[in-house]
Amino acid sequence: GENVEQHPSTLSVQEGDSAVIKCTYSDSASNYFPWYKQELGKGPQLIIDIRSNVGEKKDQRIAVTLNKTAKHFSLHITETQPEDSAVYFCAASLSGVNYGGSQGNLIFGKGTKLSVKP
Amino acid sequence: NAGVTQTPKFQVLKTGQSMTLQCAQDMNHNSMYWYRQDPGMGLRLIYYSASEGTTDKGEVPNGYNVSRLNKREFSLRLESAAPSQTSVYFCASSFGTSGGGLFGPGTRLTVL
Repeated sequence: GENVEQHPSTLSVQEGDSAVIKCTYSDSASNYFPWYKQELGKGPQLIIDIRSNVGEKKDQRIAVTLNKTAKHFSLHITETQPEDSAVYFCAASLSGVNYGGSQGNLIFGKGTKLSVKP
Repeated sequence: NAGVTQTPKFQVLKTGQSMTLQCAQDMNHNSMYWYRQDPGMGLRLIYYSASEGTTDKGEVPNGYNVSRLNKREFSLRLESAAPSQTSVYFCASSFGTSGGGLFGPGTRLTVL
């Protein structure tokens, strides 16, 4: 089945610097790659996603890139702010087709704790 | 819109007790999901429902049952709770079947 590896597990940056979180996936058939932000005591919040027919997507200070050949995708946060501090999760799934009998089985990475120091 | 709501927020059970976690969404989403989150394990799918009247097993379904009561509501039942089911449970909903989508605030369950 699908396996998603996420690095680093912790990341500390100065306010204003950029942060990059990387994920690799194992199943070349996966075609949907969302990123979630989870603040302490809250549920994960979808912040950006990308599908396999797109190489890059941006939304203000965040961007995601996808390299299908290498099977990895990355989250880039520019001009980081203290409120960006949270745990970030990447995930991968097959969208629209059965996958091991579990359509919609979104496989998550283990998370990256981002700390932005003022 | 309230989005996805879950009840209760916290629950403590003794081994062998049963309980039902409730989830409701007002987004008119077709698909709903139950995940559990454990330290160092990330989020794992327990069950999902692609549409009203259908349910399917996810990655870790053992020890759980679900009911898609209608388009809005998707409940998770623990028939005989075990300490290994101590976790934070999240319900989510989405229009499509990609998984994830909009998450609820979670239920923190402790089984003694």
